[in-house]
Amino acid sequence: EVQLVESGGGLVQPGGSLRLSCAASGFTFSSYEMNWVRQAPGKGLEWVSYISSSGSTIYYADSVKGRFTISRDNAKNSLYLQMNSLRAEDTAVYYCARTGDSGTGYYFDYWGQGTLVTVSS
Amino acid sequence: QSALTQPASVSGSPGQSITISCTGTSSDVGGYNYVSWYQQHPGKAPKLMIYDVSNRPSGVSNRFSGSKSGNTASLTISGLQAEDEADYYCSSYTSSFYVFGTGTKVTVL
Repeated sequence: EVQLVESGGGLVQPGGSLRLSCAASGFTFSSYEMNWVRQAPGKGLEWVSYISSSGSTIYYADSVKGRFTISRDNAKNSLYLQMNSLRAEDTAVYYCARTGDSGTGYYFDYWGQGTLVTVSS
Repeated sequence: QSALTQPASVSGSPGQSITISCTGTSSDVGGYNYVSWYQQHPGKAPKLMIYDVSNRPSGVSNRFSGSKSGNTASLTISGLQAEDEADYYCSSYTSSFYVFGTGTKVTVL
């Protein structure tokens, strides 16, 4: 069974940093592209970042470019999101999501349960 | 990249069919057959319902179907059931990678 378990969320002051982790199991993690998607309280979904299976290709949403860094450790079956210079508008539940492997692959077939990040003084 | 436009709410009685629209531009929905749909119950993670416009993942009920015409994609739920009450989001690949829709709350009357 595919499982994605996020951790690392919490309360942080504006300008602060936080590192999220996503532990993957039930599939060959090193073969899959991964993403972070967030959802502000009561709002819709927003794609944040993408990383290829090897980690060699990375993309970011404009809203986080230059502040967030996605990475992965295939030996540890883990995905990470380093978040720096956090702002109030970064407050959201952060989901890690696997890129699908059927058809075109431009979708998210499994999601974690999410971890809440609150940026507030 | 602006969010794709969805109706805020759609409702229907049990057994009826409803359709949720997802309107974008030629740079996203209209430019690629990469539209997907997600169901989200309150407090839960999103669940993939449709990918590549009209494909259903294994395990998803055949009451859910997807289509696209021009810059608008649609999700149809037939034989509406109580457990279908949830938020639904469309998504499309774009030149800026991925964009989601504004979300639609489906209410089963």
